[in-house]
Amino acid sequence: GESVGLHLPTLSVQEGDNSIINCAYSNSASDYFIWYKQESGKGPQFIIDIRSNMDKRQGQRVTVLLNKTVKHLSLQIAATQPGDSAVYFCAENIGGKLIFGQGTELSVKP
Amino acid sequence: ETGVTQTPRHLVMGMTNKKSLKCEQHLGHNAMYWYKQSAKKPLELMFVYNFKEQTENNSVPSRFSPECPNSSHLFLHLHTLQPEDSALYLCASSQIVGNQPQHFGDGTRLSIL
Repeated sequence: GESVGLHLPTLSVQEGDNSIINCAYSNSASDYFIWYKQESGKGPQFIIDIRSNMDKRQGQRVTVLLNKTVKHLSLQIAATQPGDSAVYFCAENIGGKLIFGQGTELSVKP
Repeated sequence: ETGVTQTPRHLVMGMTNKKSLKCEQHLGHNAMYWYKQSAKKPLELMFVYNFKEQTENNSVPSRFSPECPNSSHLFLHLHTLQPEDSALYLCASSQIVGNQPQHFGDGTRLSIL
């Protein structure tokens, strides 16, 4: 994921629309990836994970896509709701250590 | 409820104080972690414990001293901290170290005066 943070990237969507949050990871040897959601005043909450032998994985209203060729990860949230407003982090596993990106702030407009 | 409980939630201390952060996990996991989260920066891994043994110290200054008495409890002892140590300190646990999701507590917000 991204390393040094400047300002947090933001994404603003209308309630009910689909959201796509992107992440570029750094190490082609990374074999496991996780998306987390962090609400204000709380710790990161596990959303979904994917191993490098997969291209796509679906959960409840969420889908993670992995493109190993360009080292890109995305999180799709269907029918975005106000409760989805939070900062979303991707993390890549390298040698048992999770390396986190700087995060994207998702804002849902009613 | 994430299954990982951190206390205290907030801590204000002077640079000469000694305090400890506590983490307890109720998930039956064997690996525990300390992370530092500063504003506008990605989460930084500090320490890793696997089956009570420290397996990672990510070049953390010695003013931070971890302790893992058993697989369910993790402490971070603090002494003579600096203002730049003000941050959110997060504890996490996973079944083992490796390709496993880590589950986080809600953190301790630490302010150094």
